[in-house]
Amino acid sequence: DIQMTQSPSSLSASVGDRVTITCRASQGISNFLAWYQQEPGKVPKLLIYGASTLLSGVPSRFSGSGSGTDFTLTISSLQPEDVATYYCQNYNSAPFTFGPGTTVDIK
Amino acid sequence: EVQLVESGGGLVKPGRSLRLSCEASGFTFNNYNMHWVRQAPGKGLEWVSSITSSSKYIHYADSVKGRFTVSRDNAKNSLYLQMTSLRAEDTAVYFCAREHTWTPALDYWGQGSLVTVSS
Repeated sequence: DIQMTQSPSSLSASVGDRVTITCRASQGISNFLAWYQQEPGKVPKLLIYGASTLLSGVPSRFSGSGSGTDFTLTISSLQPEDVATYYCQNYNSAPFTFGPGTTVDIK
Repeated sequence: EVQLVESGGGLVKPGRSLRLSCEASGFTFNNYNMHWVRQAPGKGLEWVSSITSSSKYIHYADSVKGRFTVSRDNAKNSLYLQMTSLRAEDTAVYFCAREHTWTPALDYWGQGSLVTVSS
């Protein structure tokens, strides 16, 4: 089975900062990777699929990159409403494992 | 508007069974693959199971294989998760989720149903 790791596990940044979250797969998954945002007490929301394709309606400050085993989610200018936990997910092959999550808050 | 509404959660004793349902509306249910994802209290997301639109292909996480069974009734726009031999570690909010049209990423999620396994 493919294992997913994320770093850091949490971060604190100022409004307007550029934030980068890394996700790594234990074996190559091409670009079959999604990113989700889960705000406190809410349901997860899909942000990005295909490693870099932004879902319609997602703010353009979010971007994704990577292929193979290493992936990145970037928030170009952190906003207060971005406080959330972010998860990556492999959907190359079952089991469609999630990463452990990265919690982002405002400094 | 796409809606996914889970039901059937509750408090159950270890070793017992429970069946979750997810009623879908606002889209053509029989065109979409569906998933179950769970989240233990204060923990991260754990993918549980998936089923293709025609029920031809089904997958499970190792942690539930042999104990949980996913099914669907396209005539009733409903997804199910039959859970048996429940353990304390199955305690979680269970979400049903729909696959995106062009990719297996999950674009719509229900509000979740809490399952608590405790004696």
